[in-house]
Amino acid sequence: AQKVTQAQTEISVVEKEDVTLDCVYETRDTTYYLFWYKQPPSGELVFLIRRNSFDEQNEISGRYSWNFQKSTSSFNFTITASQVVDSAVYFCALSEANTGFQKLVFGTGTRLLVSP
Amino acid sequence: DVKVTQSSRYLVKRTGEKVFLECVQDMDHENMFWYRQDPGLGLRLIYFSYDVKMKEKGDIPEGYSVSREKKERFSLILESASTNQTSMYLCASSVLTVVSTDTQYFGPGTRLTVL
Repeated sequence: AQKVTQAQTEISVVEKEDVTLDCVYETRDTTYYLFWYKQPPSGELVFLIRRNSFDEQNEISGRYSWNFQKSTSSFNFTITASQVVDSAVYFCALSEANTGFQKLVFGTGTRLLVSP
Repeated sequence: DVKVTQSSRYLVKRTGEKVFLECVQDMDHENMFWYRQDPGLGLRLIYFSYDVKMKEKGDIPEGYSVSREKKERFSLILESASTNQTSMYLCASSVLTVVSTDTQYFGPGTRLTVL
């Protein structure tokens, strides 16, 4: 069965600190996709990244970076030099081949609070 | 840009009322989804549809039904609203693919309160 665990319920940092949001997943499939979404206070989920199981290269996009490690079933998200605008709830999600790839299973989310 | 819109941002209904939540997307996506979001539980899939008049149950379909008469519109129906259906409801859409997952794009959400 597929499952996504975000053990950190809430993280508080001061602006300019680096912060890592953890995501651990469970799947029996060899082919799957992992996602990160951001939900700012406005409520709309904003897509950040999609990664397939065959691509373990880390990715960097500006202040955001993602570390995908199949050996530990983790897909962690790091924000460098955090800013107040990064305050949001962040969700990690998984889809897999045996559900036809159409369904996403979400973690419970991590609320990030960045104070000035 | 993908645009997914939901008919209301906030809605207050009474127990027993029939409630319609509407979602429209403008990107010709085949897939549409309804989720509910509750604190500590993340997003849970209620129903999804991969074509007009087609629907599939998600993880928590009890107490809900859906309707997809047109490709761009997906409605969530609470036949008889109950207080435990007070929640944030999120609609999403994506391209239908067979061998991979396309990104789901979300609407702004409807916060429903059932009194």
